[in-house]
Amino acid sequence: GQNIDQPTEMTATEGAIVQINCTYQTSGFNGLFWYQQHAGEAPTFLSYNVLDGLEEKGRFSSFLSRSKGYSYLLLKELQMKDSASYLCAVMDSNYQLIWGAGTKLIIKP
Amino acid sequence: DVKVTQSSRYLVKRTGEKVFLECVQDMDHENMFWYRQDPGLGLRLIYFSYDVKMKEKGDIPEGYSVSREKKERFSLILESASTNQTSMYLCASSRDAGSGANVLTFGAGSRLTVL
Repeated sequence: GQNIDQPTEMTATEGAIVQINCTYQTSGFNGLFWYQQHAGEAPTFLSYNVLDGLEEKGRFSSFLSRSKGYSYLLLKELQMKDSASYLCAVMDSNYQLIWGAGTKLIIKP
Repeated sequence: DVKVTQSSRYLVKRTGEKVFLECVQDMDHENMFWYRQDPGLGLRLIYFSYDVKMKEKGDIPEGYSVSREKKERFSLILESASTNQTSMYLCASSRDAGSGANVLTFGAGSRLTVL
């Protein structure tokens, strides 16, 4: 079956760095997405990786290793507004999105 | 700057009632999706539509139907609501479902409680 695994909850300190991991097993691969979802709000797109390596976008970076079925989202210089859930999703060979359950990130002052 | 609008943020219905959830997007996107989001689970696709009057079943279509009479509007219908349909329902749209870089724009969600 298809599966996406990510930690349920993580806690980090304001100003620090946090890495949220995502591992996947899917039928084919057409890219991996990260979305951010604040409590009670819509998920919003953060990043898309289809080739191996690191994609940097301001304070956020996303890494992909297709051979290992692994990705991470790196958040630097954490701010209180980064408290949210982070959703990992993989597009399979049929261009269907398979979603992880999300990682709730708690930022403490 | 609202792009995907869901008509109701919170609904409370009784078992057996018919429920309509409306979603409208203003980005002229071809594709629209209905997901449900439950604690501890990833988003699960109920139905999607890639064109007006077209619909495709997702992973959990049982107990739901959809309607897409206009490009900008995609409705989710629960013919006879049951308590196990208590959930957060998310509507989304995208420009190109057949592409890897298929970015979804989501609505804020409709939280349905069935008593």
